[in-house]
Amino acid sequence: GDSVTQMEGPVTLSEEAFLTINCTYTATGYPSLFWYVQYPGEGLQLLLKATKADDKGSNKGFEATYRKETTSFHLEKGSVQVSDSAVYFCALSSLGTSYGKLTFGQGTILTVHP
Amino acid sequence: GAVVSQHPSRVICKSGTSVKIECRSLDFQATTMFWYRQFPKKSLMLMATSNEGSKATYEQGVEKDKFLINHASLTLSTLTVTSAHPEDSSFYICSARGFLVQGAWETQYFGPGTRLLVL
Repeated sequence: GDSVTQMEGPVTLSEEAFLTINCTYTATGYPSLFWYVQYPGEGLQLLLKATKADDKGSNKGFEATYRKETTSFHLEKGSVQVSDSAVYFCALSSLGTSYGKLTFGQGTILTVHP
Repeated sequence: GAVVSQHPSRVICKSGTSVKIECRSLDFQATTMFWYRQFPKKSLMLMATSNEGSKATYEQGVEKDKFLINHASLTLSTLTVTSAHPEDSSFYICSARGFLVQGAWETQYFGPGTRLLVL
């Protein structure tokens, strides 16, 4: 079945540091890939997505590239801010599954210190 | 666009009572809605998938008689936790997927969640 594996957290960084959160996946066919962010006490917000190989999703300074050859979708940001502190979830949606349901990774807690 | 709301945001109830949580898509028609449960510091667990006008599809291990889901319209789905017990205390999140702009149909948009505490 489909699965998503994220790097273990928590991740603690200083403001303006470079961020990478690794995400790899297994899926049948050609899934769409997503990064969602969850701020404390809130629901999930779509951060970025990519629907086919070599697509790069980007938003708010974050970016991730759909790498089919390595089945990866790593999240990066060049300079993090305190306001980026949140939980980040990598997810995939495989059209072959019922109603395109999302399969989530376990989430990575990011804490950014001033 | 693509806003999903949930009501209530927090609810406290006594053991044995039933609680209804509403999920609404405010600016698009949600052909499919999903209900998740999230435990502290854990990922989301899909409970069920509902399509407008048809019965919900429950994930393995989820009691359909305990977690009643109704998707009566293209903008509203409800989750009723029947005879709630303390172990049902959790953060419940819904998401909706529908036809927005071209190419965006597969994206799920999430509600802000409902925190349920059963005493």
